[in-house]
Amino acid sequence: AQRVTQPEKLLSVFKGAPVELKCNYSYSGSPELFWYVQYSRQRLQLLLRHISRESIKGFTADLNKGETSFHLKKPFAQEEDSAMYYCALRRSWGKLQFGAGTQVVVTP
Amino acid sequence: EAGVAQSPRYKIIEKRQSVAFWCNPISGHATLYWYQQILGQGPKLLIQFQNNGVVDDSQLPKDRFSAERLKGVDSTLKIQPAKLEDSAVYLCASSLESREDTGELFFGEGSRLTVL
Repeated sequence: AQRVTQPEKLLSVFKGAPVELKCNYSYSGSPELFWYVQYSRQRLQLLLRHISRESIKGFTADLNKGETSFHLKKPFAQEEDSAMYYCALRRSWGKLQFGAGTQVVVTP
Repeated sequence: EAGVAQSPRYKIIEKRQSVAFWCNPISGHATLYWYQQILGQGPKLLIQFQNNGVVDDSQLPKDRFSAERLKGVDSTLKIQPAKLEDSAVYLCASSLESREDTGELFFGEGSRLTVL
């Protein structure tokens, strides 16, 4: 069965410190993985997708098929990064399966 | 461009009552999704439409939940009768269905249901 696991419910970091959000998945096919973010009082929105191999707002994520992971990283956290982050697996066309989410709190 | 619109934003009902949520997707988006997000959990797909046809409703509790997308545009999700465990945020999302599909879903603000 497909599964997306985000082991940390809450991640508290200081401004300027590195932050890494863990995401592990189980899927027998070729996965498409995404990170979605929900800022306070805003809609859930796409942050980045693994196929783009891009950096968005300083965040990067690398798909590691050997470890079945897609961890999200940022070298220097900012206060505006405080949000709820969801890792998501696209099983087939359009069907996203989300993890439980990690709340990130960046303190000054 | 206008985003995904949902209403109502909040609804409080008693158990065994019925409720309906409405969604208007982004213009031109063929695919529409309803997700249920229970507090502390990630969104869970209830039903996916492509145009006015159902693609996946395997997670929809069909004894009490129903959804339709007439004319392939707006959609309505209904719960009848509601149970306490239906308390959640109901998210509507839409996406393009084309060769340029990047997999991005565009979400509405959600409809928060409280069942007492």
